[in-house]
Amino acid sequence: AQSVSQHNHHVILSEAASLELGCNYSYGGTVNLFWYVQYPGQHLQLLLKYFSGDPLVKGIKGFEAEFIKSKFSFNLRKPSVQWSDTAEYFCAVKPGSSYKLIFGSGTRLLVRP
Amino acid sequence: KAGVTQTPRYLIKTRGQQVTLSCSPISGHRSVSWYQQTPGQGLQFLFEYFSETQRNKGNFPGRFSGRQFSNSRSEMNVSTLELGDSALYLCASSPTGGASLEAFFGQGTRLTVV
Repeated sequence: AQSVSQHNHHVILSEAASLELGCNYSYGGTVNLFWYVQYPGQHLQLLLKYFSGDPLVKGIKGFEAEFIKSKFSFNLRKPSVQWSDTAEYFCAVKPGSSYKLIFGSGTRLLVRP
Repeated sequence: KAGVTQTPRYLIKTRGQQVTLSCSPISGHRSVSWYQQTPGQGLQFLFEYFSETQRNKGNFPGRFSGRQFSNSRSEMNVSTLELGDSALYLCASSPTGGASLEAFFGQGTRLTVV
């Protein structure tokens, strides 16, 4: 079955620390990849997406992600986190021509000021 | 441009009852998807509609159903509610639902079954 794994369920960082959140998926065909963020009390918002081309994609608020096809991975990175990055982060995959998103279990990030 | 609007925001229902949730997509978006979010199972796909047709359905029992109207607004219905149906139900819209297109999410309807 198609699935998405996020390895870190809870991450605590101090401001200015670097962030990397892991995401692996199980699907052998073409995929479209997304990272969504859910700030406390707010709706899910798109951080960035990959569907073709340069495997290093840049998103909003200084986030970037790298698609490594051979590793079935799409890790999210940010060089220096801020307190306002405290949120839950979800990796999601749309396999092939599917209309549905398959989400990972999410990573709760707490950034200490 | 208004975002995805879900109503109501909160609902409390009793086991055995049925419930209908509503979603108004972003203007011009014709694809609407529904997701269930729970602490234990995370975000799970329920179904997706485009031009009043269901194109995809997730692994949920038949008690969960939906429909889409000609103005792209969508409703989902859960009959014979169970305690385990307590969740945040999210609606997402997209211009066509195509694989490379992002989905825009609403704030959700928090359903509590007692």
